[in-house]
Amino acid sequence: QSALTQPRSVSGSPGQSVTISCTGTSSDVGGYNYVSWYQQHPGKAPKFLIYDVYKRPSGVPDRFSGSKSGSTASLTISGLQAEDEAVYYCCSYAGSYTEVFGGGTKLTVL
Amino acid sequence: EVQLVESGGGLVQPGRSLRLSCAASGFTFDDYAMHWVRQAPGKGLEWVSGITWDSGTMDYADSVKGRFTISRDNAKNSLYLQMNSLRTEDMALYYCAKGFCDSGYCYDAFDLWGRGTMVTVSS
Repeated sequence: QSALTQPRSVSGSPGQSVTISCTGTSSDVGGYNYVSWYQQHPGKAPKFLIYDVYKRPSGVPDRFSGSKSGSTASLTISGLQAEDEAVYYCCSYAGSYTEVFGGGTKLTVL
Repeated sequence: EVQLVESGGGLVQPGRSLRLSCAASGFTFDDYAMHWVRQAPGKGLEWVSGITWDSGTMDYADSVKGRFTISRDNAKNSLYLQMNSLRTEDMALYYCAKGFCDSGYCYDAFDLWGRGTMVTVSS
C-alpha cells in the first residue's frame, strides 16, 4: 500500500489548462478503473471531483476531466480560475477492499 | 442537512486507546459504505479503513491493521473507529467519509466528508 506518486506542485495562469499526474502500479491504478480525485482548500475537508477515472458527479464543472493510461491517471483542469488554487489528491482502489491516495499536488494559479 | 460529524479525538499517550465516532444525518446511512481517512499535520490524505453497509466486509491500511477496528451501528446512524496501541505516527486529523453511490450503483469514491476530529499522540 505505497502512496500513489503525484507532482508536489503545478501552476498555471487564469484561463490556461493544467494536468496533474498520478502514478501507481498494476496493483492499483493500472489494475482497476477506480480512480477518484479530490480538491482540498486550506483548512477544509476534501471535495469530490471525479470517479471511475473520468466520470464527474453532479455539480462538478466540466472544466475538470480525468483520464488514465496504463498505471498513470491524470486530472486536467481547463479554464483555470483563481478558486481552483488548492491541493489535489488522486485515490485508487488497491484490491481487497482497500484504497490508496496520492501524496497530493498543490496547484498555484499565477 | 446532509452531514457527517466526527467526535472523540483528543490528546492520548503512546500505547493508549481512543474511540472515534461519526454521526451521520440527512441520508439513509445503511445504504452506504463508510470510511475513515486521516491527514497528519501538513501532510496528505491516507485511507485508514472502510466498512460495507452491512458490516459484512471491513478492511484496513497496513499501517493500522491489527490495532484499529472499524464498526458501525446502522440503528444509530453512526460509524466508529476503535484505535488501540496508538503511536506518534497515528497523530492526525481523522475524517469520516461516505461511499459514493448513484442510480443504484456504488463506486470506489467518497462524496461526503466530515470536518474531522484531531488525534494527538504524545507523552
